[in-house]
Amino acid sequence: GAVVSQHPSWVICKSGTSVKIECRSLDFQATTMFWYRQFPKQSLMLMATSNEGSKATYEQGVEKDKFLINHASLTLSTLTVTSAHPEDSSFYICSARDYGYRYGYTFGSGTRLTVV
Amino acid sequence: RKEVEQDPGPFNVPEGATVAFNCTYSNSASQSFFWYRQDCRKEPKLLMSVYSSGNEDGRFTAQLNRASQYISLLIRDSKLSDSATYLCVVLDERDDKIIFGKGTRLHILP
Repeated sequence: GAVVSQHPSWVICKSGTSVKIECRSLDFQATTMFWYRQFPKQSLMLMATSNEGSKATYEQGVEKDKFLINHASLTLSTLTVTSAHPEDSSFYICSARDYGYRYGYTFGSGTRLTVV
Repeated sequence: RKEVEQDPGPFNVPEGATVAFNCTYSNSASQSFFWYRQDCRKEPKLLMSVYSSGNEDGRFTAQLNRASQYISLLIRDSKLSDSATYLCVVLDERDDKIIFGKGTRLHILP
């Protein structure tokens, strides 16, 4: 079935630094990938839609200059959290849709970011 | 009205019991529906798609009621390993965007 690989699984960084998270579709091509954020005991919130070869589409309230998204190939999208602050600490998850796989979305394993 | 609504629970159910969740959605044009399962600190995983005619996968049965705009998930003979949060997901096909409910927490008690 469809597999999405996300790295790193967890990261701790200092305030003011930047963190890059990678999301790869391993056995299918994903022209579109999605980035979510989930705070404890809350639902997944869509941050942005990543489109291969073009600019990402950000949801209202998400700062595009803070959360840089690059989708340079059909199998890789990256999210960079720039100048991270403690309030950016969260669980970040990517997903992609493989139209051949049970018509659903497959998620990466998530990245737990802690900013200290 | 929220786009996708679920009872947050938690549902505390003894092992072996049957439990049912409902989920309502606001966009009558929605065409695709899914149930996902999310374990604590893990990513959501597709449990099953929901088809108009209803579908069953082992102990799990999903049903769709378009007229009332709700979907349901029934778990029979519940196991301890069924403890998780169950997410109702609706696909907005116009924008190719999926919309998550906040999830229903299920605790199966030994």
